[in-house]
Amino acid sequence: GENVEQHPSTLSVQEGDSAVIKCTYSDSASNYFPWYKQELGKRPQLIIDIRSNVGEKKDQRIAVTLNKTAKHFSLHITETQPEDSAVYFCAASENDSWGKFQFGAGTQVVVTP
Amino acid sequence: GAVVSQHPSWVICKSGTSVKIECRSLDFQATTMFWYRQFPKQSLMLMATSNEGSKATYEQGVEKDKFLINHASLTLSTLTVTSAHPEDSSFYICSAGAREAGTDTQYFGPGTRLTVL
Repeated sequence: GENVEQHPSTLSVQEGDSAVIKCTYSDSASNYFPWYKQELGKRPQLIIDIRSNVGEKKDQRIAVTLNKTAKHFSLHITETQPEDSAVYFCAASENDSWGKFQFGAGTQVVVTP
Repeated sequence: GAVVSQHPSWVICKSGTSVKIECRSLDFQATTMFWYRQFPKQSLMLMATSNEGSKATYEQGVEKDKFLINHASLTLSTLTVTSAHPEDSSFYICSAGAREAGTDTQYFGPGTRLTVL
């Protein structure tokens, strides 16, 4: 089955700097890669996603890149703000969102003013 | 749009009792829902896939007789933790595929924190 590894487990950044989180996956059949943000005690919220037919996607300060050959994808947050502090999870799935999600272990991001 | 609710948000029960958790898609129909559990500071672990009108598909290592799932309608799936024990204490989260709502992704409920004494 699919195995998703996520690094780093914790990430501290100064406000205004960029943050990058990387994930690798094992199943070449995976074709949908969402990123979720989870604040303490709350539900995961989808922040961006990418499909295997696209190499990069951007939404304001957030971008995701995908390298199918190397089987890795990354989340980039620019101009970080304190409200970006949360746990971020990557996931991989077959059959778009109808397949099972395999989540990464998560990255605790702390943005210090 | 694409809102998923869960009830209750938290529950405390005695060991040996059963607890039912509801997951509802409020503004769209969900043929497929997923149940996850999450331990503190850990990732989401898929427990089972709930399919409307058919039996749930459980992940390896998840006891189907202990975690009963019913998906009787296109907007409601329930998870019943039977004969709960302290080790079942966890954060249980459901998600629903929102393709019927016109978006290709899963949306998560707010979660249910279960504490078994």
